[in-house]
Amino acid sequence: TQLLEQSPQFLSIQEGENLTVYCNSSSVFSSLQWYRQEPGEGPVLLVTVVTGGEVKKLKRLTFQFGDARKDSSLHITAAQPGDTGLYLCAGAGSGGGADGLTFGKGTHLIIQP
Amino acid sequence: GAGVSQSPSNKVTEKGKDVELRCDPISGHTALYWYRQRLGQGLEFLIYFQGNSAPDKSGLPSDRFSAERTGESVSTLTIQRTQQEDSAVYLCASSFNGWYTDTQYFGPGTRLTVL
Repeated sequence: TQLLEQSPQFLSIQEGENLTVYCNSSSVFSSLQWYRQEPGEGPVLLVTVVTGGEVKKLKRLTFQFGDARKDSSLHITAAQPGDTGLYLCAGAGSGGGADGLTFGKGTHLIIQP
Repeated sequence: GAGVSQSPSNKVTEKGKDVELRCDPISGHTALYWYRQRLGQGLEFLIYFQGNSAPDKSGLPSDRFSAERTGESVSTLTIQRTQQEDSAVYLCASSFNGWYTDTQYFGPGTRLTVL
């Protein structure tokens, strides 16, 4: 059984600060995806990383896939209140859809003005 | 622009009753997924359809759960003899072809409460 440990579970910081969310596993994933989920809605994909060591940037968000494809991180620079939400990491196995996605429990992020 | 839709959005039922949850995927998406999100837990993968075929049903929590899909269209998740531990948000997602790099587009979910 593949597991993804996501940390921290809760994070409350002031506007303008930087933060990093971690997603770790003992399993290798074919791809790692980061989602953001708002209350009452389904998760929305932010990014997919596929290659070990890959780094992707989305404005103030930087995503990194570990060299061994077992871990990933999300770094937010100069956080803003609009970044508040639930962030989820999810790993995909080599079996594609048949494996489904393995999700972490999520990080509840609150950015205070 | 039609995204993934689910109905009902909320369902309150009594223990022991059967419930049916519906998912309408994005048109043209061959792959469809069901997940369960319990309070304080991550999303739990339940089942995957490629077209109307589900190759592996082992992710369904018990034999009270069943799912079917009509062609590459609507899917229903049925829970028989509901129990309180079935209370959760049930999320459906669809993707173009089911590859591991595919983007899964999620619906808003059905919040099921079993009293």
